This record gives sequence, C-alpha cells and structure tokens, in this order.
Amino acid sequence: AQSVTQPDIHITVSEGASLELRCNYSYGATPYLFWYVQSPGQGLQLLLKYFSGDTLVQGIKGFEAEFKRSQSSFNLRKPSVHWSDAAEYFCAVGTHNTDKLIFGTGTRLQVFP
Amino acid sequence: DTAVSQTPKYLVTQMGNDKSIKCEQNLGHDTMYWYKQDSKKFLKIMFSYNNKELIINETVPNRFSPKSPDKAHLNLHINSLELGDSAVYFCASSPGTAGTEAFFGQGTRLTVV
Repeated sequence: AQSVTQPDIHITVSEGASLELRCNYSYGATPYLFWYVQSPGQGLQLLLKYFSGDTLVQGIKGFEAEFKRSQSSFNLRKPSVHWSDAAEYFCAVGTHNTDKLIFGTGTRLQVFP
Repeated sequence: DTAVSQTPKYLVTQMGNDKSIKCEQNLGHDTMYWYKQDSKKFLKIMFSYNNKELIINETVPNRFSPKSPDKAHLNLHINSLELGDSAVYFCASSPGTAGTEAFFGQGTRLTVV
C-alpha cells in the first residue's frame, strides 16, 4: 500500500533563509505527488503537483519541488522564506487506480523575524 | 464564489447527539470527498463519491453516513456522537480522474463534549 513520510514534525527558520521540507513516499509505480499548505484555521491549498515530465516543478508563492525517483522523494523548497509562509505543510500521494490522496503527517513551519 | 464551501465552520455538541455537516462545490467536479483531520493534524480520507455514487468507504463506523443528493453536494451525517469524533472534517472535490488534485473546503471543527 502506498504511504507518505514527512520526517520533520516541526521546522523553524529565520525570515529570508532557505527552506527544504522533506517528503518520502512508498509506491510501486510512478505516483502523483502533491504539496498542500494549511494556514491556521484554514483549509488546504495546493502549492504544486507532479504528474509526469520535468522532475522539477514550480508552484505558487515561490515554492518548487523536485521528484527524485531513485530516492522516492519529493522535497519542497523555497529560496527565501517570508513570515507569511508559517503554516502546516502536507505532502500527499495519489495513484493511477484510486482517486484518494494519502497524506503525510505534516510539517509545521515556524518563521522567526 | 467559494469553490468548496461547507457549513457550519464550528460545531459544538453533546455526546449522543446527531449532527450534519453540509458541503457544496461549484467547480463542476464529478468527485467529492470527506477527510478527517485529527488533533495531531493527521488527514485521512473517509468517503468519496463520484456522480452521487459511493466509491470509497475507508472503514468508517456506520454512525457516519454520507449523502449526495447531486454531484455538487455531499453531506455528512453523524449519529450518536462520541468524544472521539471530535476533529476537523474537510470536504473536497476533484475532477474525478485518478491522481488529480483535490480542492478543499475550509473545514468544520466538530467538538463533542
């Protein structure tokens, strides 16, 4: 069965610093991969997605993610974090034979001024 | 012009009561979902419907009964509420093709006292 692991429960960075949030998945074939962000008291907003093709995908708010098949990873990056990026980030995987998403446990990002 | 809207946003109720959460999407999507987010922020799918037909039921207690009167609406009725039902419930929709992204509502925070 497919699964998603986000090893970092909580990350703290200074505003302006670079960011990388880790995501590893388990699935036998090429998965569909997503990053969502959840601000406090809000729903989930899609940041970016990978279906096929170029393994480096660009998303909204200056985020990007790279699919690495050899490492079963889909890490999220941002070169310079803004205070408004403080939120919970979820990696998710979807597959070819089901229309449900399997979510990781989330990474809480805190940004210090 | 909210894409996926659910009501109410907050719901506080006593154990043993029956309550409903409503969800509507105006995106023209064929598939709708209910996800549950527990106190540790873990998100798990409960149900999915495609064109009013139940597709996924993830071993949810039968006290939970989804109802889809049309493909734009998916309501969640919960009987005999228990303390463990306290969570945030998210409605979502997608075009229905396997692996496509889901669009989420703002969530309903259910507190059972």
